[in-house]
Amino acid sequence: DTEVTQTPKHLVMGMTNKKSLKCEQHMGHRAMYWYKQKAKKPPELMFVYSYEKLSINESVPSRFSPECPNSSLLNLHLHALQPEDSALYLCASSQVARKETQYFGPGTRLLVL
Amino acid sequence: QKEVEQDPGPLSVPEGAIVSLNCTYSNSAFQYFMWYRQYSRKGPELLMYTYSSGNKEDGRFTAQVDKSSKYISLFIRDSQPSDSATYLCAIWGAQKLVFGQGTRLTINP
Repeated sequence: DTEVTQTPKHLVMGMTNKKSLKCEQHMGHRAMYWYKQKAKKPPELMFVYSYEKLSINESVPSRFSPECPNSSLLNLHLHALQPEDSALYLCASSQVARKETQYFGPGTRLLVL
Repeated sequence: QKEVEQDPGPLSVPEGAIVSLNCTYSNSAFQYFMWYRQYSRKGPELLMYTYSSGNKEDGRFTAQVDKSSKYISLFIRDSQPSDSATYLCAIWGAQKLVFGQGTRLTINP
């Protein structure tokens, strides 16, 4: 199984809402990532988890809160977002020793109103 | 200077043509080079990766790395309409993937 799944596919939320994005992989990977991608731009790294511990936070605002409850799951909790946070949120995974080869999920398209 | 430079295109070619996509990078310490394909409204798909100078072939796709020139290429032979997508080069550096801007490619039937 070489698939990374993400739910939901689409999400519309108001600036006062709290929502969560979910990511799951069953490739045995112990490194997982959150990226943000704006239209016609490349993905931008947000967070990296290695062995379920947060290893990199790319100075992301606190209204984004990641969580890695186990080796297969990665969540991104959203609270008090701004319209400029509207984007495609991508999850990826890799072997810890092979972080250069990352496998991406289909993404969650988020619209903040 | 950006770490990775990629012409965003768009690039439009007829079906069956050979396509050449290119990136340059600035840091000679970079060692790992990847190409991703991203269809509209989908996540990037790892297409090819290579760790050394030279060519790597997979079906109709060939990845080429020239470390002396800091130049990487992806060639697509016998291009098909289904190859229409955005192609992103990515280089592993400073503990993260550094992406090019992506080239939008359209193959016309």
